[in-house]
Amino acid sequence: KAGVTQTPRYLIKTRGQQVTLSCSPISGHRSVSWYQQTPGQGLQFLFEYFSETQRNKGNFPGRFSGRQFSNSRSEMNVSTLELGDSALYLCASSLVVGGAYEQYFGPGTRLTVT
Amino acid sequence: ILNVEQSPQSLHVQEGDSTNFTCSFPSSNFYALHWYRWETAKSPEALFVMTLNGDEKKKGRISATLNTKEGYSYLYIKGSQPEDSATYLCAFGSGGSNYKLTFGKGTLLTVNP
Repeated sequence: KAGVTQTPRYLIKTRGQQVTLSCSPISGHRSVSWYQQTPGQGLQFLFEYFSETQRNKGNFPGRFSGRQFSNSRSEMNVSTLELGDSALYLCASSLVVGGAYEQYFGPGTRLTVT
Repeated sequence: ILNVEQSPQSLHVQEGDSTNFTCSFPSSNFYALHWYRWETAKSPEALFVMTLNGDEKKKGRISATLNTKEGYSYLYIKGSQPEDSATYLCAFGSGGSNYKLTFGKGTLLTVNP
């Protein structure tokens, strides 16, 4: 069974630009969550999509947005990039296990903003 | 803001040593506690999900316990091996139908041969 895939794996952008990251979940998984990791910080929750609807959102500015398609693939967009947006962005797809949502992570997209 | 604390931040042990780390989390609005293992340049790998107070889970040499009343979980590694070197993350699950994971910053384990 193929795992969670993310594209691109690495990206360099300049301040003020926008970027779109893509995530393909494990086949059959309908929930996709996005996380940001910056140096010294734990994984920070961005948002979760389930059946094309944003179900949950973290404390990030409106420059961070996402969407999910009918095939469960998800995209995350960051507009007007800032230096502080340089981070590893992980997505995870979810399978409900015993009432809790087990999350399976992709390899991440490393975004560098210069 | 939920606080999920992990200690220690980092740990160096010798091959064969047994070790354990702690995850502290809020005792209210608890739904589940997750442990992940994250090796450098790889994806975080799910180890355990625990939902009930007193839960104990085991996978090979790794085990975990859960105390939801006092808000902590322990992860134990018996007879550490160099391949156990990784960052171990815990995540507090809350929200029920709006399930959300809040991660700790992790414990970096280095096992020296």
